[in-house]
Amino acid sequence: GENVEQHPSTLSVQEGDSAVIKCTYSDSASNYFPWYKQELGKRPQLIIDIRSNVGEKKDQRIAVTLNKTAKHFSLHITETQPEDSAVYFCAASIGYKLSFGAGTTVTVRA
Amino acid sequence: NAGVTQTPKFRVLKTGQSMTLLCAQDMNHEYMYWYRQDPGMGLRLIHYSVGEGTTAKGEVPDGYNVSRLKKQNFLLGLESAAPSQTSVYFCASQGQGSNEQFFGPGTRLTVL
Repeated sequence: GENVEQHPSTLSVQEGDSAVIKCTYSDSASNYFPWYKQELGKRPQLIIDIRSNVGEKKDQRIAVTLNKTAKHFSLHITETQPEDSAVYFCAASIGYKLSFGAGTTVTVRA
Repeated sequence: NAGVTQTPKFRVLKTGQSMTLLCAQDMNHEYMYWYRQDPGMGLRLIHYSVGEGTTAKGEVPDGYNVSRLKKQNFLLGLESAAPSQTSVYFCASQGQGSNEQFFGPGTRLTVL
């Protein structure tokens, strides 16, 4: 099955700085790569996704890049704010099944 | 629209007891999933269903059973709970033709 690795496991950034989370996947047939944000005690919620036929996607302060050849994708958060503090999960999908990374706990320091 | 709901929100069991977790969705989604979330391990798929009356094993199915008798409901059962099943359980649903999974609020289960 698909194996998704995510790094780093924790990330502390100064407010206003950028944060980058990286993921790799094993199955070249994976074609959909979502990122979920989970605040403490809450459910995971989709924040951005990218399909395998696209190299980059942006939505305001967040962006995702995909390198199909290297089988890795990354989440970039610019101008971080305190409300960006959360756990972020990457995932890779073939069809209707998602395989998740282990998560990155992001802390934004004021 | 309530989206995806789960009952109960919290439960404490003793080893060997049984229980059923209920997931309901009102989005007419074909696909439904049960995950468990443990610290440092992300979300791991327990069982899933691609339609009413069908179920399939995920990554960590041992010790769990599921049923999807109605399209809107997906039940997760623990026949004989073990401390290793202490976790937060999330249900999710996904529409056919879409990739986005919508999650329920979670059930925190403790097995003593």
